[in-house]
Amino acid sequence: NAGVTQTPKFRILKIGQSMTLQCTQDMNHNYMYWYRQDPGMGLKLIYYSVGAGITDKGEVPNGYNVSRSTTEDFPLRLELAAPSQTSVYFCASSPKADYYEQYFGPGTRLTVT
Amino acid sequence: GDSVTQMEGPVTLSEEACLTINCTYTATGYPSLFWYVQYPGEGLQLLLKATKADDKGSNKGFEATYRKETTSFHLEKGSVQVSDSAVYFCALSLSTGNQFYFGTGTSLTVIP
Repeated sequence: NAGVTQTPKFRILKIGQSMTLQCTQDMNHNYMYWYRQDPGMGLKLIYYSVGAGITDKGEVPNGYNVSRSTTEDFPLRLELAAPSQTSVYFCASSPKADYYEQYFGPGTRLTVT
Repeated sequence: GDSVTQMEGPVTLSEEACLTINCTYTATGYPSLFWYVQYPGEGLQLLLKATKADDKGSNKGFEATYRKETTSFHLEKGSVQVSDSAVYFCALSLSTGNQFYFGTGTSLTVIP
């Protein structure tokens, strides 16, 4: 059981570069989420999706884009990376919101210098 | 708006001490409540949950009771171990929404 997988585990970007963080789940979950976790802080929701073809903004969407072409994949795109985007990024999935738990990936640690 | 307020840390305890981490919530509907744990270098994983008032969630010696009258979901453990050292997050979700709301996390360190 792979669950939620994320790649890469670590990445260093220069200011202004772009990259895509990959997230894949094999549990056939409809709901998927992207969070960022800054040092010593809680999770902030960037984007979420309730199914293939449907995405919506969370609390901190600026500087990011997402797409959801399949149930399994939910990539997060960073355009024009900035130092403020240095963070750990977590992808999560859930069969539904409400009382279902979220399953988290191991995270991607991104540094922008 | 909907939110979770969690006791600030960090918390340092000796092994076998009692633990309480406070969590209160604000919600417009009837939320489900969760505690997640994050071990160093890992993602979050569900520790326990409760889906309605007066429910008690329990796992690995941890317990939390959904108290609607005090809008609280405090995490408790009677005797902590070194292996319990982690960051603990309280969270809620609503049947009327698509999002989870997480607290800011409480770091626990247990020393031998």
